[in-house]
Amino acid sequence: DVKVTQSSRYLVKRTGEKVFLECVQDMDHENMFWYRQDPGLGLRLIYFSYDVKMKEKGDIPEGYSVSREKKERFSLILESASTNQTSMYLCASSFSAAGIYGYTFGSGTRLTVV
Amino acid sequence: EDQVTQSPEALRLQEGESSSLNCSYTVSGLRGLFWYRQDPGKGPEFLFTLYSAGEEKEKERLKATLTKKESFLHITAPKPEDSATYLCAVQPGGYNKLIFGAGTRLAVHP
Repeated sequence: DVKVTQSSRYLVKRTGEKVFLECVQDMDHENMFWYRQDPGLGLRLIYFSYDVKMKEKGDIPEGYSVSREKKERFSLILESASTNQTSMYLCASSFSAAGIYGYTFGSGTRLTVV
Repeated sequence: EDQVTQSPEALRLQEGESSSLNCSYTVSGLRGLFWYRQDPGKGPEFLFTLYSAGEEKEKERLKATLTKKESFLHITAPKPEDSATYLCAVQPGGYNKLIFGAGTRLAVHP
């Protein structure tokens, strides 16, 4: 069974901390995505990557950065966590960037910044 | 601006009571419309992709349809295990990303 694994289900961090969210996929997908999900707003794209060391900004990249050193791993970095970054973070991967065959999502990381 | 609006926000049904969820969209050059199911505490699970007006896809009690302005997810004789949040997403022409709606929370009671 194909999987996207996010390293933590729940995280609590302090304002100003540097936070790393890790995502690993075992499907040899080229494309990986980071979304955040907030009530009433749906999923919003933060960053995506279509190849190792390649990245593109999504709709809300401010305050975030990403790293993709290996094909299977895509990391989201909060440089200096703030309370407005409290959210559910979802990682996804796909064979096709268009998601024609559907994105495969991880179970999410619920981040609370206090 | 590309936009996806889902209605209703929440829907409560009795087991066996059929209904439809709506996804209306404005997008420049639709490349695909996607439906996902999301259970509490889990990531979204892919259900369907629709590409052109008039297309229909079915899976068990679910049927998705597409027009030029909207998509419907029809649920026939739902069961409690169909309770979930259903998400709609569109891919605009020329973009390698999906734009999601806020979802419809469906609760099916015995």
